[in-house]
Amino acid sequence: AQTVTQSQPEMSVQEAETVTLSCTYDTSESNYYLFWYKQPPSRQMILVIRQEAYKQQNATENRFSVNFQKAAKSFSLKISDSQLGDTAMYFCAFMTHAGNMLTFGGGTRLMVKP
Amino acid sequence: DAGVIQSPRHEVTEMGQEVTLRCKPISGHNSLFWYRQTMMRGLELLIYFNNNVPIDDSGMPEDRFSAKMPNASFSTLKIQPSEPRDSAVYFCASSFTGGQNIQYFGAGTRLSVL
Repeated sequence: AQTVTQSQPEMSVQEAETVTLSCTYDTSESNYYLFWYKQPPSRQMILVIRQEAYKQQNATENRFSVNFQKAAKSFSLKISDSQLGDTAMYFCAFMTHAGNMLTFGGGTRLMVKP
Repeated sequence: DAGVIQSPRHEVTEMGQEVTLRCKPISGHNSLFWYRQTMMRGLELLIYFNNNVPIDDSGMPEDRFSAKMPNASFSTLKIQPSEPRDSAVYFCASSFTGGQNIQYFGAGTRLSVL
């Protein structure tokens, strides 16, 4: 079974600064997908970014980028130029390539301060 | 597209009552998932369907929980009888298997069992 660990329960960052959220996972699979989802106070789960394990290039979506270290089984999320609207819970999630089910980490609560 | 639609948004009921949560997936998606989110256990997959067929229900907590998907555009999650420990946010998500395998979530149903 796969496990996903987010070691930072809470973080804060000043508006316009950069913050990095950590995620590690454990799997014996060689091919899989990794995701970051955002859950703002509205509780809607919103996809932030997706990474395919066989791709060496780190995924980027505007101000959001990942540092994917396959050997270390690490998948951190970097948010640049933080905005107040980035305040939310952030969940890291894992999916096997053959499977269809997401395994979520426990989440990191991010507060962006003005 | 309207996205994944869940109803009701909030549900308050008394212990012992039957509760039915509803979900309409995104048109064209062939996989549907039910998740439960609690403070203690985080996000847990309850059951998932592929092409309207239940594939994995190992996350369903007990026989009081049942889920159906009578057609590609509708699914229900039923709890009978409900108990206070069932209080949680229940999410429905859908995806197209064989594509990017991205799961899109509904807004969730907050269930309170008194």
